[in-house]
Amino acid sequence: EAGVAQSPRYKIIEKRQSVAFWCNPISGHATLYWYQQILGQGPKLLIQFQNNGVVDDSQLPKDRFSAERLKGVDSTLKIQPAKLEDSAVYLCASSLSSGSGNTIYFGEGSWLTVV
Amino acid sequence: AQRVTQPEKLLSVFKGAPVELKCNYSYSGSPELFWYVQYSRQRLQLLLRHISRESIKGFTADLNKGETSFHLKKPFAQEEDSAMYYCALTLNSGYSTLTFGKGTMLLVSP
Repeated sequence: EAGVAQSPRYKIIEKRQSVAFWCNPISGHATLYWYQQILGQGPKLLIQFQNNGVVDDSQLPKDRFSAERLKGVDSTLKIQPAKLEDSAVYLCASSLSSGSGNTIYFGEGSWLTVV
Repeated sequence: AQRVTQPEKLLSVFKGAPVELKCNYSYSGSPELFWYVQYSRQRLQLLLRHISRESIKGFTADLNKGETSFHLKKPFAQEEDSAMYYCALTLNSGYSTLTFGKGTMLLVSP
């Protein structure tokens, strides 16, 4: 079974520039998550989608971060303008459905460095 | 708000020694607890969850609600167990997300 696919794997940008990350979840998975993992910390949820609807975006810095999952399949996370503190690994994950009984599968991550 | 605490950043043991990775949580309700593992150059993956009460790769974890702990244990560590381990919880609800601890790096030396 193909896993969660993410691109690009690595990105270096200057502060105030913009960047976009793409995620394709496991086929058939209705729930998609974006996590931010800063060096030395555990992953932190940014946004959760159920199909094409947002379930939880309470920790998404909405002044600079946006995410969409228009057709309920793949998703894009955008940062504009980037700040130095946005340097992190952005992990996409998916599960068959929401609810704690569903196993969450993670992608390899997109590493962002803001200089 | 819920919180997961992993007090050790690094745990170094010799092959064959027992291992215990500590995890404490704070949440007033009844959460579900998980251990995730990330081996070198691999993606984060589920190791075990408390509701399954299973042993995976020789690891077990028991939920202690009185002490609000979910420590991960293995009686005899192997070199291939070297990895980053994250404790996580979800609220027991229909729409729930994972709250992670900061992780503990386990290094098993020969």
